[in-house]
Amino acid sequence: DADVTQTPRNRITKTGKRIMLECSQTKGHDRMYWYRQDPGLGLRLIYYSFDVKDINKGEISDGYSVSRQAQAKFSLSLESAIPNQTALYFCATSETGTGAYEQYFGPGTRLTVT
Amino acid sequence: DAKTTQPPSMDCAEGRAANLPCNHSTISGNEYVYWYRQIHSQGPQYIIHGLKNNETNEMASLIITEDRKSSTLILPHATLRDTAVYYCIATGNQFYFGTGTSLTVIP
Repeated sequence: DADVTQTPRNRITKTGKRIMLECSQTKGHDRMYWYRQDPGLGLRLIYYSFDVKDINKGEISDGYSVSRQAQAKFSLSLESAIPNQTALYFCATSETGTGAYEQYFGPGTRLTVT
Repeated sequence: DAKTTQPPSMDCAEGRAANLPCNHSTISGNEYVYWYRQIHSQGPQYIIHGLKNNETNEMASLIITEDRKSSTLILPHATLRDTAVYYCIATGNQFYFGTGTSLTVIP
């Protein structure tokens, strides 16, 4: 079984709809992240959480919100979806601590807003 | 977090070594250099990281210059499955992915 899972894998929704993307991990990591990727571009950080009670905005948080329901679960919500939020969304996790840390990525959710 | 600069694309013949450069001239002393790759639209995959010393693992080698202003990722014997976008990240905290280098391994 995959260590980091994302649901749904693909979603098409209409402008103005609320949508939630979910991420679960079995790695036991405290840190979780949400990124978006637009065609031909690198990943950009939306939100990150260093533990259940910690939520931080990333580079492009406007139009998004998150919820850290448990150590293993981190959800991303689009309160009112708009077409320019059409993108590939990735969840990632990492260990806590000083020094170097790898981020482990999920398979991604392809979201299309029409 | 240091800005990184990578060539947009490179080709490599199958079986040959692929050398991917990265410039991170503004890197600070506590920032690590990480390399990830992304095959098609899959989730990025960790390859290797380093601070000062050269590093090697089962996937690749990382050569960091003595002044730490640049590094090179080496895939010693490139295969077709190594065709991907390779990202170099220099950071002590958040990861900033640029546009990376699109490596094409040619048969």
